[in-house]
Amino acid sequence: QLQLQESGPRLVKPSETLSLTCTVSGGSISSNNYLGAWIRQPPGKGLEWIGSIHYSGATNYNPSLRSRLAMSVDTSKTQFSLKLTSVTAADTAVYYCTRDGGNSANFEWGQGALVAVSS
Amino acid sequence: QSALTQPASVSGSPGQSITLSCTGTSSDVGGYNYVSWYQQYPGKAPKLLIYEVSNRPSGVSNRFSGSKSGNTASLTISGLQAEDEADYYCSSHANINTAQVVFGSGTKLTVL
Repeated sequence: QLQLQESGPRLVKPSETLSLTCTVSGGSISSNNYLGAWIRQPPGKGLEWIGSIHYSGATNYNPSLRSRLAMSVDTSKTQFSLKLTSVTAADTAVYYCTRDGGNSANFEWGQGALVAVSS
Repeated sequence: QSALTQPASVSGSPGQSITLSCTGTSSDVGGYNYVSWYQQYPGKAPKLLIYEVSNRPSGVSNRFSGSKSGNTASLTISGLQAEDEADYYCSSHANINTAQVVFGSGTKLTVL
């Protein structure tokens, strides 16, 4: 069973960059139908798809975040990462990393990382 | 890329069958058979219940079933149980050229 774990700073200052890494265990991310995805959930609100990345490095981003977003993948370390620049309080959320089965369905999820944007 | 529309809340009694709706457009729900449903308990990560409109991942109870008609997808829960009380989200593929995904606004299911 694939397991995912988010890691990174839990407090980020406004205008700075939010950085998170997802470490995958129990399987390989170097698969044609594997996409690593990021999804966030502001406190008390619904889910928002941030974007996804294939092990080849090909990315798909939410148009509303594209100008501030960068994702990368390190298959040797079985990790993929998220960077969101120029953050504001509106970016405060629980950030989940997931495995997308290539069919827009997120089969496995990390436990989530609450990241607060505050000075 | 607008959120899919779900009723904010639904309630039902134990043993009852209940259907949750998820309405989109021809650019998402109506355009692809890539609709998924998730169950989320407070403070927990969502869990995939249904993928590709009507398929259940291994281990998901057959009390959960999915369907789609036009731009509206549905999740039916049969034999409602107290443990089904949770938030439910739908999602859909949303762009013909990329792997973009859009989520629904979520439905809070209360078991009376």
